[in-house]
Amino acid sequence: EAEVAQSPRYKITEKSQAVAFWCDPISGHATLYWYRQILGQGPELLVQFQDESVVDDSQLPKDRFSAERLKGVDSTLKIQPAELGDSAMYLCASTRTANTGELFFGEGSRLTVL
Amino acid sequence: QQQVKQSPQSLIVQKGGISIINCAYENTAFDYFPWYQQFPGKGPALLIAIRPDVSEKKEGRFTISFNKSAKQFSLHIMDSQPGDSATYFCAAVDNAGNMLTFGGGTRLMVKP
Repeated sequence: EAEVAQSPRYKITEKSQAVAFWCDPISGHATLYWYRQILGQGPELLVQFQDESVVDDSQLPKDRFSAERLKGVDSTLKIQPAELGDSAMYLCASTRTANTGELFFGEGSRLTVL
Repeated sequence: QQQVKQSPQSLIVQKGGISIINCAYENTAFDYFPWYQQFPGKGPALLIAIRPDVSEKKEGRFTISFNKSAKQFSLHIMDSQPGDSATYFCAAVDNAGNMLTFGGGTRLMVKP
């Protein structure tokens, strides 16, 4: 069964360092999402891609966060510089079409900022 | 502003009992309401979903009840099992299909 791949699974970094997360969606899924999930809360959308284009990045803290999906397949989410409040699970999800609400999530990348 | 409000935050049910989780929304542009199940250390996985043109949808032990006029919907887990212990999230998608908005989650524990 096809899965959304994410790496690394765990990342510990110090404040002010740069971190990057990678996501490879299910083959053929044009829509890709990055969500942030703080422990004990629901996921919150950071950015949504349709192919290589950004559809929604209104909740992405653009002063420190960036996301790209250059070839419309895999994607990278970067944080520079990391802050203590960025400690969370970063979830990538994909779907074949954007209006189904049926997202397939990866296992996430857990970030701890010290 | 939380667009989808979920309750309770946590729930303990005995094996064989019924688990009930409730959600409410304000945005009338929402037209698709999925529920996701998340186990520790894993990403959420779609469990069951409903559109507002029906009042109820059942899949196995899981049932969604939908009240359009009240803008509320709920998940019922019948004959709850210890393996159902997880965090459950309700969610909503607007009719433009642009964004999936999650509730705050309910941590369910089913005691043997």
